[in-house]
Amino acid sequence: EAAVTQSPRNKVAVTGGKVTLSCNQTNNHNNMYWYRQDTGHGLRLIHYSYGAGSTEKGDIPDGYKASRPSQENFSLILELATPSQTSVYFCASGDAGGRKDTQYFGPGTRLLVL
Amino acid sequence: QQQVRQSPQSLTVWEGETAILNCSYEDSTFNYFPWYQQFPGEGPALLISIRSVSDKKEDGRFTIFFNKREKKLSLHITDSQPGDSATYFCAASEGNNRIFFGDGTQLVVKP
Repeated sequence: EAAVTQSPRNKVAVTGGKVTLSCNQTNNHNNMYWYRQDTGHGLRLIHYSYGAGSTEKGDIPDGYKASRPSQENFSLILELATPSQTSVYFCASGDAGGRKDTQYFGPGTRLLVL
Repeated sequence: QQQVRQSPQSLTVWEGETAILNCSYEDSTFNYFPWYQQFPGEGPALLISIRSVSDKKEDGRFTIFFNKREKKLSLHITDSQPGDSATYFCAASEGNNRIFFGDGTQLVVKP
């Protein structure tokens, strides 16, 4: 069973529209992360969370909001989508300390903004 | 400033050869170094990791060599197989689960 799931898997949006990407984890991890992956840039951190109700800015937060309503769910929100936000988005979960430093990734969401 | 750098950007080896992927980092406080493997259409997955108290970590055909003084590490894949063809990300962390990723090395293993 996949421990980190993302929806939708593919999304086409129009410029100026609102897009919400959802992530659910069953690992009971405190930390959750949103990355985007573009050719030549690897994985870049957008937002992350230490637990329900908390969100923190990552390295490239501009144009994105995040919401962590529960331990299991973490959403990424594009209020006004732009073509430059066309990318593959990955959600991950993890816990710090000891042998728990691993992040577990979802399968990704491919977003195309026209 | 990029915290983790990888080279080469892409690498092609023949089946059975050893692939060597290089990585360097900036921050001396990093103490945990995972390597993630990503196949097309999938999310990255942890392949092997090392902590800064060690200089070598082996797991089957995969070995990490770590040089703390030079802030460099490398991933060696011996007896490379076509199924090893993937993108490999070197990463670094202070142990707080906040991980900094390199840009990846795309490995192709030709049969």
